[in-house]
Amino acid sequence: GQQLNQSPQSMFIQEGEDVSMNCTSSSIFNTWLWYKQDPGEGPVLLIALYKAGELTSNGRLTAQFGITRKDSFLNISASIPSDVGIYFCAGRFEWGSQGNLIFGKGTKLSVKP
Amino acid sequence: KAGVTQTPRYLIKTRGQQVTLSCSPISGHRSVSWYQQTPGQGLQFLFEYFSETQRNKGNFPGRFSGRQFSNSRSEMNVSTLELGDSALYLCASSLVGLAATGELFFGEGSRLTVL
Repeated sequence: GQQLNQSPQSMFIQEGEDVSMNCTSSSIFNTWLWYKQDPGEGPVLLIALYKAGELTSNGRLTAQFGITRKDSFLNISASIPSDVGIYFCAGRFEWGSQGNLIFGKGTKLSVKP
Repeated sequence: KAGVTQTPRYLIKTRGQQVTLSCSPISGHRSVSWYQQTPGQGLQFLFEYFSETQRNKGNFPGRFSGRQFSNSRSEMNVSTLELGDSALYLCASSLVGLAATGELFFGEGSRLTVL
């Protein structure tokens, strides 16, 4: 079945640093999405991308839908403490009246000690 | 606007028991999806319900089942619990369903521990 390879698995950030993470797949997706999950909560949608090559920003977050439709990346500029959490990429595909959303295993952002 | 509500938030069961989890989607949303989240496997799709019909099902054994009511509220049931069923079960609602969107609104989850 479809699998998403998300990297890095974890990273430490210092306030003010820029952060990059990406997701790749062997399958083509119709939509790429990025979610963030804080401890004790469900994931929250950050950015949704609908067209190959699309570059979308949400405040300090920028994400791109890869040209091949098999990858996506998320950048966070000038990180702040509240950026800590787990970030998930997700790819959506559809067939007929059905659809499915596959999630990457997540990138855990922690504050550098 | 009220978010997605899942009950119970926490529960402990023993092997062999069964459990029912409930999800109330955002008002007006017709699609409810369920996901199992574990540290090792991440978020795994269980099933999606839209207007009381199961649209799609993930690769889980038949012990995992669900249903959706006419008011869009959904329940999932796990029978004959196994230790490996310990997980956070997340419910997500959307207006139009996974066939059209991946923009999901998640609840806080029900954390199930099987002893």
